[in-house]
Amino acid sequence: DQQVKQNSPSLSVQEGRISILNCDYTNSMFDYFLWYKKYPAEGPTFLISISSIKDKNEDGRFTVFLNKSAKHLSLHIVPSQPGDSAVYFCAASSYGGATNKLIFGTGTLLAVQP
Amino acid sequence: GAVVSQHPSWVICKSGTSVKIECRSLDFQATTMFWYRQFPKQSLMLMATSNEGSKATYEQGVEKDKFLINHASLTLSTLTVTSAHPEDSSFYICSARPGGGQPQHFGDGTRLSIL
Repeated sequence: DQQVKQNSPSLSVQEGRISILNCDYTNSMFDYFLWYKKYPAEGPTFLISISSIKDKNEDGRFTVFLNKSAKHLSLHIVPSQPGDSAVYFCAASSYGGATNKLIFGTGTLLAVQP
Repeated sequence: GAVVSQHPSWVICKSGTSVKIECRSLDFQATTMFWYRQFPKQSLMLMATSNEGSKATYEQGVEKDKFLINHASLTLSTLTVTSAHPEDSSFYICSARPGGGQPQHFGDGTRLSIL
């Protein structure tokens, strides 16, 4: 049972344009969501997070939107840069935030074309 | 920033060998560390939660006698894959949470290849 889903395995975007990565979840007990970026043969690197009490969080070029009623979150990267090319994982946790175990989505490979 | 170090980064060994992977928090103490496993083109799957000074908590379907976890100090957790077989070949990643509201930080992973 995949509780966190990323339905797009890959996404290709032109440099300078917006990248939108999507994530859906099924467990209504999740109250904290994170996005990680991962290069091959490396561990994930934290990008941005959002608590369920918010619907938007912004950090520089990265913005995460949360729609609790739809159980959907998205990561916007604007403007996209070639160095953003990587696999992006969304992750969710419950019962109080990032202290607890994370459930990861299947990842989306983002390719930013120069 | 918080740094999690994982060693070794790559292991190739014969079937039947036991392999130990270390996960260290370099600049913070971690009472809890997590061990994940990733198969090619798949998601990171949590294997177990490592608790300092107590037994690890294993996820459903993970054999605790196969994957031994020891968290003897606040900065070190080890995962030992006992009597490894080719199906245990995978990418193993650990993480730790620095505290103070910070998210989990991950090590760079260990590529385990069993021949």
